[in-house]
Amino acid sequence: EVQLVESGGGLVQPGGSLRLSCAASGFTFSTYWMNWVRQAPGKGLEWVASMNQDGSEKYYVDSVKGRFTISRDNAKNSLYLQMNSLRAEDTAVYYCARDGVGASARAFDIWGQGTMVTVSA
Amino acid sequence: DIQMTQSPSSLSASVGDRVTITCRASQSISRYLNWYQQKPGKAPNLLIYAASSLQSGVPSRFSGSGSGTDFTLTISSLQPEDFATFYCQQSYSIPRTFGQGTKVEIK
Repeated sequence: EVQLVESGGGLVQPGGSLRLSCAASGFTFSTYWMNWVRQAPGKGLEWVASMNQDGSEKYYVDSVKGRFTISRDNAKNSLYLQMNSLRAEDTAVYYCARDGVGASARAFDIWGQGTMVTVSA
Repeated sequence: DIQMTQSPSSLSASVGDRVTITCRASQSISRYLNWYQQKPGKAPNLLIYAASSLQSGVPSRFSGSGSGTDFTLTISSLQPEDFATFYCQQSYSIPRTFGQGTKVEIK
């Protein structure tokens, strides 16, 4: 079964750090672009970051540039999001999502269940 | 950045109704437009990619159309399991922006 499972969320104080992980299974992880998408409580979806297959291309939404780092370990079939200098507005459910391939490239065809990050004193 | 605007923000409909949701991009995105469905407490699910291609496993009552700046998601006959929030997303350029969502509720 194709699956993504996030972990690492929790409660952190403003200015703190957290590292999210996303474990992939059921597909050849190393051949896919991967992404992080977040959703603040009661709000819509916001794309956060993307990374290509070998990590040579990384892209971020402006609001997290310089604070968040996307990375991956293809040997461990895992995607990561290192989040530093966290702010209250980073509070959200964070999803990892896989890019499709071929005609569905750039669409997010597989999503994890999400992990909640709460930034509060 | 490309802005995506959905309308309406919410709608009430009955089972069996034909439902149409519109998504407008702030500039041309060719056909790089995707639609997702999200149910409460769940992750989004891809319905339509490249404006009109039905994702595998998605019922044929869902369809998409459009190109350039104007796009439409249509549910031909609304079913009880379709009540959810729907999002469009452009995949033409970074950042890959989403619309604000359209909540489809039971009438």
